[in-house]
Amino acid sequence: GENVEQHPSTLSVQEGDSAVIKCTYSDSASNYFPWYKQELGKRPQLIIDIRSNVGEKKDQRIAVTLNKTAKHFSLHITETQPEDSAVYFCAASMITGGGNKLTFGTGTQLKVEL
Amino acid sequence: EAQVTQNPRYLITVTGKKLTVTCSQNMNHEYMSWYRQDPGLGLRQIYYSMNVEVTDKGDVPEGYKVSRKEKRNFPLILESPSPNQTSLYFCASSSGPNQPQHFGDGTRLSIL
Repeated sequence: GENVEQHPSTLSVQEGDSAVIKCTYSDSASNYFPWYKQELGKRPQLIIDIRSNVGEKKDQRIAVTLNKTAKHFSLHITETQPEDSAVYFCAASMITGGGNKLTFGTGTQLKVEL
Repeated sequence: EAQVTQNPRYLITVTGKKLTVTCSQNMNHEYMSWYRQDPGLGLRQIYYSMNVEVTDKGDVPEGYKVSRKEKRNFPLILESPSPNQTSLYFCASSSGPNQPQHFGDGTRLSIL
């Protein structure tokens, strides 16, 4: 089955700096890669996603890159703000006969310090 | 308001006592999933469904059952709960394959 590894598990940055979170996946059948942000006690919420036919996608301060050959994808947050502090999860998704199989990484706790 | 509703939000129960966590969505989504979240392990998919009567196992299906008799509902059933099923559970729905998941608020289960 699919295996998604996520690094680092914790990341501390100064406000205004950039943060990068990296994920690798194992199954070439995965073709959709979403990123979710989860604040303490809340539900995960999608922040950005990328499909396998695209190498890079940007939305304001957030960008995601995908290298299909190497099977890795990364989340980039620029000009970090205190409200960016949360746990971030990457995921790899594939379509099966029963629906949509998603495998998540183990999460990165991002702390943005003033 | 578009939402995924889970009930109960919190439950403390004992080993072996059958329980059901309900999940309902009002977005007319065909795709639904159940996840469990444990510290250090992230979110792990238990079961998923692409339509009525079509379900499949995720990565951690042991000890769980699901049913999809109606498009809007996707209940998670623990026939004989055990302490290792103590966890935070999320139901989610999406409008299609490889589309963003809309999560419910979660159900915290404690099995003693």
